[in-house]
Amino acid sequence: GAVVSQHPSRVICKSGTSVKIECRSLDFQATTMFWYRQFPKKSLMLMATSNEGSKATYEQGVEKDKFLINHASLTLSTLTVTSAHPEDSSFYICSARVPGAVNEQFFGPGTRLTVL
Amino acid sequence: GQQLNQSPQSMFIQEGEDVSMNCTSSSIFNTWLWYKQDPGEGPVLLIALYKAGELTSNGRLTAQFGITRKDSFLNISASIPSDVGIYFCAGQNAGNNRKLIWGLGTSLAVNP
Repeated sequence: GAVVSQHPSRVICKSGTSVKIECRSLDFQATTMFWYRQFPKKSLMLMATSNEGSKATYEQGVEKDKFLINHASLTLSTLTVTSAHPEDSSFYICSARVPGAVNEQFFGPGTRLTVL
Repeated sequence: GQQLNQSPQSMFIQEGEDVSMNCTSSSIFNTWLWYKQDPGEGPVLLIALYKAGELTSNGRLTAQFGITRKDSFLNISASIPSDVGIYFCAGQNAGNNRKLIWGLGTSLAVNP
């Protein structure tokens, strides 16, 4: 149980385009999902906390108009990188908290975004 | 944002050796978590610790929640090549959506 998927696993896009990344909890309902960004050989950096049915809470320094988060259902959260630029190239990872497993987060496999 | 002090930063060991890594924090946590991340993958939870002083094992892995609630260690016994990866500690408190505070990671290489 507690499987989280992400789609796509890898995306290459042109500068100026927008890219949507999906995060799904496959066998449980996740009221809270988290979006992270990770640079090579670095730790995970929390971008935002996504609560189903409400606006996401963004971490300091993360532009909410640049990184649009939608958590429309209990099994799906999306991150849209708008008007992507090469500096947005990174590894984006989502996680979901399992109801009942109060303190544990389970992670998706990540999405590698490359902006040309 | 806040990050935890994790050491060592990297380790290169021989297969069969034991490994120890630790995390320290300036503030206390209610929960300590240890994750392993393989290249190009998301982190996978190894061990979760919920009580100060708690010692928990998962196969060859053993982790402890420090009595001061400001530190934790992870030991790997009799390392094997598939132990290669980056190990992260994370601390968590109730409230604030229980977001994780991450260590900087320990990169482990195992020489067969």
